[in-house]
Amino acid sequence: DAKTTQPPSMDCAEGRAANLPCNHSTISGNEYVYWYRQIHSQGPQYIIHGLKNNETNEMASLIITEDRKSSTLILPHATLRDTAVYYCIVRVNVDNDMRFGAGTRLTVKP
Amino acid sequence: EAGVTQFPSHSVIEKGQTVTLRCDPISGHDNLYWYRRVMGKEIKFLLHFVKESKQDESGMPNNRFLAERTGGTYSTLKVQPAELEDSGVYFCASSQGRPGETQYFGPGTRLLVL
Repeated sequence: DAKTTQPPSMDCAEGRAANLPCNHSTISGNEYVYWYRQIHSQGPQYIIHGLKNNETNEMASLIITEDRKSSTLILPHATLRDTAVYYCIVRVNVDNDMRFGAGTRLTVKP
Repeated sequence: EAGVTQFPSHSVIEKGQTVTLRCDPISGHDNLYWYRRVMGKEIKFLLHFVKESKQDESGMPNNRFLAERTGGTYSTLKVQPAELEDSGVYFCASSQGRPGETQYFGPGTRLLVL
C-alpha cells in the first residue's frame, strides 16, 4: 500500500509553475522521497528524489519540509507536454519495489 | 544510452493461450523488475532479478506467471494459460548497483486477453 497522499488532480496554466504536493506523514528516517510521472501510454519516468535536503535537476525541484512529513514537486515552467500523472513514492533505498499510489493527474492548460 | 526496451508493445490473445513478454534492461544494469497495471488499478510490483537470480517474487499473482532471466541480460515473462484478468500493462524497469538505486522504466507491453 502506498504511504503517501496526493490530490487526485490539479490544473496549471502553461508557462506557470506547477506545484504538486505530497503528504508522507509516516515517513521513516531512512526513506527517500521519489517522484515519477507517467505520460499517457508511456512507462513511468523518473523525475527526482531526495532524503532531507531540497533537490533540483533539469526537470524539477523537490522541496522537503524540515519534519519530512510532506514535500512539493515544482515544475518551474509547465508546458503542455508536462500533462501526466505524477507519483510521489517513499522508499528505503534498499527496497526492491516502487509502491505506486494513485498519483496526481496534472493537466497543463494553454 | 538506450533505455529499457520491451517487446511486443501490444499483444492480443485469447483466453487459454500463452504469451511471452520480453524486457531488455539498460546495459550494465544488474537489477531488473517487472510491474503491471491491470485495468483501473495501481501499478504493482511483480518481481525482481539480480542478474539471473530471482531476488523477490512476492508480487507474482499465481503460478501461471513465469519469469526468467537466463544469462542475466534480458528477461521474459510468460503467462500460461492467460486469463481475462491478466489484461493490463506490463512494465519492466532496471537499475544499476544496489537494489535500491533509481529504477528506470520501459514503455510497457499492453496485453489484452479476450
